[in-house]
Order: sequence, then C-alpha cells, then structure tokens
Amino acid sequence: DAGVIQSPRHEVTEMGQEVTLRCKPISGHNSLFWYRQTMMRGLELLIYFNNNVPIDDSGMPEDRFSAKMPNASFSTLKIQPSEPRDSAVYFCASKKVAANNEQFFGPGTRLTVL
Amino acid sequence: SQKIEQNSEALNIQEGKTATLTCNYTNYSPAYLQWYRQDPGRGPVFLLLIRENEKEKRKERLKVTFDTTLKQSLFHITASQPADSATYLCALGGANNLFFGTGTRLTVIP
Repeated sequence: DAGVIQSPRHEVTEMGQEVTLRCKPISGHNSLFWYRQTMMRGLELLIYFNNNVPIDDSGMPEDRFSAKMPNASFSTLKIQPSEPRDSAVYFCASKKVAANNEQFFGPGTRLTVL
Repeated sequence: SQKIEQNSEALNIQEGKTATLTCNYTNYSPAYLQWYRQDPGRGPVFLLLIRENEKEKRKERLKVTFDTTLKQSLFHITASQPADSATYLCALGGANNLFFGTGTRLTVIP
C-alpha cells in the first residue's frame, strides 16, 4: 500500500491566490482528516469526513477555507484567497471509522504564502 | 475546550538512559489516548494507544501510563538510542477524532 498520498509536497504562492491541496487516503479507510501544523499552534484539526460526509468543520479558520471529498479516494482543501498567515504544513490523515483506530498521516504539504 | 500540555518543548538525554515525556490535559475525559512520533519533514506515525480503563501499556522499549484522575499520561523510552531522537506527540481520543498536543522534541545524545 502506498500510504496516504498528498500533493503538492511544496507550494509557494502569493497572497490573494487560490491554493488547492490534494489527498488520496489509504484504500479501505473511510475517515479522512485535514490538519494544519505550525510551530506556535502545533497540529490542529481543520475538518474530518466519515464516508465522504463532513462531520466536523469547526476547526476551519474562516470562510476562505473549504474542503471537499467527492469520493472515497480523493479530497481537496482549498484556500481562497490565501494570506501569509496561512503558511504552514498541511497534513491529511485517514483511518477506518472504528473509534480508536490509529490515524495514518501523509507526508504533508508545506505551504508558503508570500 | 480541551487543553493539552506536553511537559517541555525539548528534552535532551544521554544514550542508554530512560526518557520520560509527560502529557497533561484539562477540560476533557478521553476514552483513550495515543502517542505518535514525528520526524522532521514527515507526518506523525502512530506508536501506542492506551484506553481509559488501562493503567499501563508496553511495546518493546516503550511504556505508556494513563492516570485519568491526574489527567496525565507518561511516555517512557527505556535504553534510549540516538535513533529515538524525534518529536513525540500525545493525542486525546474523541468520538472519531484526535486532539493533539504540541509535542516534545527528544534528543538522545550519543
């Protein structure tokens, strides 16, 4: 199994531009999570899906952020318009729905907004 | 909302010694707690899970304790090695999600 796949690995963009981050979960996993990690705030949960349905998006910082999961094998996190304070590493993770299963993380996307 | 504190940002120990990392939490009663390891430039990797009704869990050189009265978990690495150098994250278990601490960066000095 290739594990959780994220693209791009690095993204540098200018303030005001739209950014789309992509994630392919592990086959057979039906929960998907988007996290943001910074030195100051650590690993923060942005949103998670069960069976492609958004369950909790209370961590999404503001309306500039949106996430979709059109099918079981693909999810996107979009920031529009991007701002310098959005610079962080964004991780996608997946797991099976059973309550205490471990989460499997992707390698992350390092986003820099200039 | 829940608050999670890990004892220090960085911990340096000598090779061969036991490393002890602390995770304290408030405003929450997790059904379980997990520990993850994160290396630079990589995503976290699961290490151990301990449930609220378990006091201690072991895996090779790793040991985790969970005290729901103190609202604290301790993570021990015995006979530490330089390869154990990494950031270690504790995570409180929610219904289907996790709340992560900010991590402790461990450096094992040869």
